[in-house]
Amino acid sequence: KQEVTQIPAALSVPEGENLVLNCSFTDSAIYNLQWFRQDPGKGLTSLLLIQSSQREQTSGRLNASLDKSSGRSTLYIAASQPGDSATYLCAVDGNQFYFGTGTSLTVIP
Amino acid sequence: DGGITQSPKYLFRKEGQNVTLSCEQNLNHDAMYWYRQDPGQGLRLIYYSQIVNDFQKGDIAEGYSVSREKKESFPLTVTSAQKNPTAFYLCASMGAGEYTEAFFGQGTRLTVV
Repeated sequence: KQEVTQIPAALSVPEGENLVLNCSFTDSAIYNLQWFRQDPGKGLTSLLLIQSSQREQTSGRLNASLDKSSGRSTLYIAASQPGDSATYLCAVDGNQFYFGTGTSLTVIP
Repeated sequence: DGGITQSPKYLFRKEGQNVTLSCEQNLNHDAMYWYRQDPGQGLRLIYYSQIVNDFQKGDIAEGYSVSREKKESFPLTVTSAQKNPTAFYLCASMGAGEYTEAFFGQGTRLTVV
């Protein structure tokens, strides 16, 4: 069964810092990897989708990379802002959609 | 606007009562999913449906039931057999094909009183 791990579980940084969130998965037979943001008590908002044939995707200050062979993805957030504070989840799409437990990010003004 | 809508936002259930959570999408997506989220745990799959009138159990289907009579609707019933139903429930949909994006509703918080 696919297992998805996210490190660190929690992260606190000062505003303006660049940061990296990590996601690893055990089965490389995936179609996509998707990064989501979740605010407290809310649903998931899609940030970036990386297809298995792609190496990276960018949207604004966000850049996600995928190394399928090693079972790893990173989400890079540039020039972090207090509004980036949320939980970030990665999910891999194989036969089912498997989620990590998330990284809780706090950006301190 | 296209999207996925869950209702109600908050739901309270008495012991021994069945309750139904609504999930509607107007994205013309074939696949729909129900997840449960508990504090400190990842999302766990309850049921999913890839086509109308067909659905499959996920990892934690016991105590839940679903139907998929219409493409746009995938209601989840939490039955009295579910002994620990207090959780945040999330519905998602995805288009056909291998390389499509999943979209989520805003969730329903169910509490047993």
